[in-house]
Amino acid sequence: QKEVEQNSGPLSVPEGAIASLNCTYSDRGSQSFFWYRQYSGKSPELIMSIYSNGDKEDGRFTAQLNKASQYVSLLIRDSQPSDSATYLCAVRWAEGRDDKIIFGKGTRLHILP
Amino acid sequence: GAGVSQSPRYKVAKRGQDVALRCDPISGHVSLFWYQQALGQGPEFLTYFQNEAQLDKSGLPSDRFFAERPEGSVSTLKIQRTQQEDSAVYLCASSLAVWSSYNEQFFGPGTRLTVL
Repeated sequence: QKEVEQNSGPLSVPEGAIASLNCTYSDRGSQSFFWYRQYSGKSPELIMSIYSNGDKEDGRFTAQLNKASQYVSLLIRDSQPSDSATYLCAVRWAEGRDDKIIFGKGTRLHILP
Repeated sequence: GAGVSQSPRYKVAKRGQDVALRCDPISGHVSLFWYQQALGQGPEFLTYFQNEAQLDKSGLPSDRFFAERPEGSVSTLKIQRTQQEDSAVYLCASSLAVWSSYNEQFFGPGTRLTVL
């Protein structure tokens, strides 16, 4: 059973601070890792993807992957009120005819002005 | 259009009615996925197509759920004899290439289904 675990929050972070979101997954065969942002009533929007161990930076966002620990995180620097949303961690397996993405339940992030 | 589109955006059905939800993927995207998202939860996988072939339907919750993609483009998710527990947002996503873990999924706006 493939599982993706996230703390549901809410996580409250002051404006301008660093928000740290964490995710663990159960299957060591996992290949691709994604962070989606979902505003209330909207569909998920891809903000970061990461495929190999280490850090990947894109603007204010940094994704970190540690396959040995089966752990992926998202850091948001200089947090803005517009970052307030639910952040979904997603893990993908694709092999042969099998292709599946499993989502965590999401972490609600609230940036305090 | 440039993105994934879904229709209708909102659907209210009486318990026992059949509904059909449509998804238009991004042009040229081979893979198409359906997800169900209940309030406060992450999206739950329902089924997956490569072109017209339905390769995985393990997430469909019951035999009342049926999906098709007859020409490898537009897909329809049909729910027969709807029940209140079917109330959720149904998300469609598409992805460019086949059998590769490095292709990102792009989501449509979803259809919010409410069963009374």
